Amino acid sequence: ETGVTQTPRHLVMGMTNKKSLKCEQHLGHNAMYWYKQSAKKPLELMFVYSLEERVENNSVPSRFSPECPNSSHLFLHLHTLQPEDSALYLCASSQEEQREQYFGPGTRLTVT
Amino acid sequence: KQEVTQIPAALSVPEGENLVLNCSFTDSAIYNLQWFRQDPGKGLTSLLLIQSSQREQTSGRLNASLDKSSGRSTLYIAASQPGDSATYLCAVRKDTDKLIFGTGTRLQVFP
Repeated sequence: ETGVTQTPRHLVMGMTNKKSLKCEQHLGHNAMYWYKQSAKKPLELMFVYSLEERVENNSVPSRFSPECPNSSHLFLHLHTLQPEDSALYLCASSQEEQREQYFGPGTRLTVT
Repeated sequence: KQEVTQIPAALSVPEGENLVLNCSFTDSAIYNLQWFRQDPGKGLTSLLLIQSSQREQTSGRLNASLDKSSGRSTLYIAASQPGDSATYLCAVRKDTDKLIFGTGTRLQVFP
């Protein structure tokens, strides 16, 4: 595996379910990001981790809970989501926050 | 608050044409600007990164320019091909802040 990978690629969940999105980077980077991409809206940064510590949380609802156990892995835990949370969730990584970001293919989430 | 605008929102051109995509930003004090390509339902692929001290960057048939003082960047695609069809996004960074993305230009190149 090379680059940034995300699993699953597609996820359908009910509003009462609990699920997790996984991101893994094989680039030796030390910063990782979660973005949300909704239809007809710009990408929105959700969370930033640098050296495994959360450095930014853009006022994301608590039903989204990130976890970064090491510099190669990033999770987004989901619970009691709303239909408006349906979107493409993208993970990215970079070597330091200021450097070029590399994106994964995304997880297409549908909340029913 | 930094805002990023991309014009046009959509563009359809015949194969072989040279084309220009525009990106404008409201706060000229940026650290760098990055152009991405996104295929339908897929992640983003970084195309070019321009540091604030640079005026342009080139990669193959792509050339991106940056005019910080006027808050503008352009992505020039030479001799367009059907494989160039995608959504093109620009994003700016101010110092150590997060990337601020535009809404993108959806490009279709037809044979």
